[in-house]
Amino acid sequence: DAGVTQSPTHLIKTRGQHVTLRCSPISGHKSVSWYQQVLGQGPQFIFQYYEKEERGRGNFPDRFSARQFPNYSSELNVNALLLGDSALYLCASSLSGTTRGRGYTFGSGTRLTVV
Amino acid sequence: GQQVMQIPQYQHVQEGEDFTTYCNSSTTLSNIQWYKQRPGGHPVFLIQLVKSGEVKKQKRLTFQFGEAKKNSSLHITATQTTDVGTYFCAANNNDMRFGAGTRLTVKP
Repeated sequence: DAGVTQSPTHLIKTRGQHVTLRCSPISGHKSVSWYQQVLGQGPQFIFQYYEKEERGRGNFPDRFSARQFPNYSSELNVNALLLGDSALYLCASSLSGTTRGRGYTFGSGTRLTVV
Repeated sequence: GQQVMQIPQYQHVQEGEDFTTYCNSSTTLSNIQWYKQRPGGHPVFLIQLVKSGEVKKQKRLTFQFGEAKKNSSLHITATQTTDVGTYFCAANNNDMRFGAGTRLTVKP
């Protein structure tokens, strides 16, 4: 059974460009959460989706958007990239979003570098 | 969302020494989770604590949840080089909010 898969693994973009990051949760998991992790810091919550509905949003600008598809996979979109958007973007999968003692399962992340 | 503070930010120990990281919140937490992230890796779930005063053990790791459910700790007995990594606590309500983590390095 595949774990959480994220693509691409690495990405280099120029300031002002747009980026789309993809995540496929564990089979059977209906919730996906996105996190941004800057080097040396803890993961910062961006979005949570459950059953294709946005369940939570962190303190990120409107340049960040996301969606969840009928197969529960998800995309994170970032417009007008800034140098400060350079980070590891993590996708976390869970059955329902409330974890029920099982915790989140994270993907290996997408390392985004903005130059 | 819930905000959690972790201390210390860094901890360097000699192999065999003990290690403790603390997590504190200004508000009561419904539950708290702990994760470990190895260098270059992604966070891996360790445990969830739900009940006031709860204590759970995983081999050399002991996790505690405070009586007021506002703080938690992770204690590692007799550290090994395989314990190296950053340990995060995360407060879980409708979404998961992570602390800044404690980075543990172990000298052989």
